[in-house]
Amino acid sequence: LAKTTQPISMDSYEGQEVNITCSHNNIATNDYITWYQQFPSQGPRFIIQGYKTKVTNEVASLFIPADRKSSTLSLPRVSLSDTAVYYCLVGDLNNAGNMLTFGGGTRLMVKP
Amino acid sequence: NAGVTQTPKFQVLKTGQSMTLQCAQDMNHNSMYWYRQDPGMGLRLIYYSASEGTTDKGEVPNGYNVSRLNKREFSLRLESAAPSQTSVYFCASRGGVGQPQHFGDGTRLSIL
Repeated sequence: LAKTTQPISMDSYEGQEVNITCSHNNIATNDYITWYQQFPSQGPRFIIQGYKTKVTNEVASLFIPADRKSSTLSLPRVSLSDTAVYYCLVGDLNNAGNMLTFGGGTRLMVKP
Repeated sequence: NAGVTQTPKFQVLKTGQSMTLQCAQDMNHNSMYWYRQDPGMGLRLIYYSASEGTTDKGEVPNGYNVSRLNKREFSLRLESAAPSQTSVYFCASRGGVGQPQHFGDGTRLSIL
């Protein structure tokens, strides 16, 4: 299983762009990178997923360098409601039986 | 659109009691998963079911059993609850190759 390493916590202010980097040095060829957001008392919510280069959706962008040993989740113009824990997961999504390992996540605090 | 529904939302048990946590999804997903999340930590996989009729152990299966009742439902059973099993339990489902997991809002279980 590819292990991931993220910063434990980050602080930001409303309106700023936030970049959270995840290291996954032993990522395998078939592994995808997936990011989830979790609010207190709720289950994790899917944000974005990618394999290489850049992926963008309506809420975030995901940057993956050519060696795929790290990835960066970018949240544009954060608001107070983006305060949450963000998890980076790495795993082979082609196989339903493959386990996806959650690390400790990054606690993002957005301040007014 | 209910997604993944877990029941009950809260439960208090005494040591040695048994309990079944229920999970149902209405997205016609093939794969289903049970995780536990301890305070301040990420999620750990207990058991999963890659497809109807199959179940496999995850990272922390000891003390638990599961049943994939049909395509919609996946239950988790504690035969003899222990205080170490006090946690928040999340159920998730996944549709197919390359798809992310969708999570329920959890069952908060306290064992005295």
